[in-house]
Amino acid sequence: GQQVMQIPQYQHVQEGEDFTTYCNSSTTLSNIQWYKQRPGGHPVFLIQLVKSGEVKKQKRLTFQFGEAKKNSSLHITATQTTDVGTYFCAGLSNYQLIWGAGTKLIIKP
Amino acid sequence: DGGITQSPKYLFRKEGQNVTLSCEQNLNHDAMYWYRQDPGQGLRLIYYSQIVNDFQKGDIAEGYSVSREKKESFPLTVTSAQKNPTAFYLCASTPTSLNTEAFFGQGTRLTVV
Repeated sequence: GQQVMQIPQYQHVQEGEDFTTYCNSSTTLSNIQWYKQRPGGHPVFLIQLVKSGEVKKQKRLTFQFGEAKKNSSLHITATQTTDVGTYFCAGLSNYQLIWGAGTKLIIKP
Repeated sequence: DGGITQSPKYLFRKEGQNVTLSCEQNLNHDAMYWYRQDPGQGLRLIYYSQIVNDFQKGDIAEGYSVSREKKESFPLTVTSAQKNPTAFYLCASTPTSLNTEAFFGQGTRLTVV
């Protein structure tokens, strides 16, 4: 079946370090969405990418959609404690939204 | 304020009992979804409905049932046939298709003992 693989499962960083999560799909996607889920909370929409090779920025967050529309990444520059949570990608393929397993961002004390 | 409401937040049930989780939205969205989330995993689709009086099975529909009698409401029943019902259940809605942002409720954490 259709899958979206997301890596890594966890990433431990010192505050101020960068963070990146990657998603790879087995099929071409119509679009890809990114969500953030705080501990104990629900997913909250961050952004949607539609075009091949698209890059979008939201302050310290940079989102990319691959040229083949099969992969995507989220990069956070200079992480802050407010960035803690799990980041999910969700790809739209054949009218179904397929979710990655998420990457948990953990700030080291 | 517009939004999507799930209740209750925490629910405990004995094994063998059916339980219904509530999901209500006042966003005037056509499409509604139920997901299950287990620790360390992504969201898995249980059922979805694109219009009133119509719904479709998702990837893990066995042991669950839904109804969509009103646009605003999409309750999920976890039946005794569901072998591992303990999980975090999330309801979501979108205006029409999945080509837009999904809005999520706060979730219901179901524990079956």
